[in-house]
Amino acid sequence: EVQLVQSGAEVKKPGESLKISCKGSGYSFTSYWVAWVRQMPGKGLEWMGIIDPGDSDTRYSPSFQGQVTISADKSISTAYLQWSSLKASDTAMYYCASMGRGSYGMDVWGQGTTVTVSS
Amino acid sequence: QSALTQPASVSGSPGQSITISCTGTSSDVGGYNYVSWYHQHPGKAPKLMIYEVSNRPSGVSNRFSGSKSGNTASLTISGLQAEDEADYYCSSYTSGSTLLVFGGGTKLTVL
Repeated sequence: EVQLVQSGAEVKKPGESLKISCKGSGYSFTSYWVAWVRQMPGKGLEWMGIIDPGDSDTRYSPSFQGQVTISADKSISTAYLQWSSLKASDTAMYYCASMGRGSYGMDVWGQGTTVTVSS
Repeated sequence: QSALTQPASVSGSPGQSITISCTGTSSDVGGYNYVSWYHQHPGKAPKLMIYEVSNRPSGVSNRFSGSKSGNTASLTISGLQAEDEADYYCSSYTSGSTLLVFGGGTKLTVL
């Protein structure tokens, strides 16, 4: 079964760092890009950025450039999203999804990771 | 403010057909055939329903269809069913550094 499994919910304080993960299985991890999508409470989907796990080439939405870092370790079929200094406004659900090369459709989604940032 | 414009809500009765629009510009929807549609039930991850304007992934009902005219893409759901009630989002490839943009989402209510 093709799936993306994300790490568990996180509760952090402002200023702390965080790295969440997204592990692919059931398919060739390097054959698809991995995208990250934010959904703030009660709001819509926001595209954050994308990584090619094969060569770690990364593209960010201008809204998230400099705010987060996307990385991947192809040896363990895992992509990451990290923050160096969290803010309360980072509180959201974060999804990873595999994106078909050249189709820009996200066909397999992780279950989501809830990040809560509160003092 | 989302880059792509969708109606906030649409509604229909079981068995009817509804259409959700997604309006962008020539830099995204109008310029490329890379429009996708997703639905999302409360508390669940989104699910891809349409990609490349009109293609359905394996397993998606043929009640779902997509099209595009100019800078506006559309998702049509025919034979509306109760389980279709969800939030629907469009996305499109966009030129420039952004790469991808989403619409603001449309809440579909099945009356």
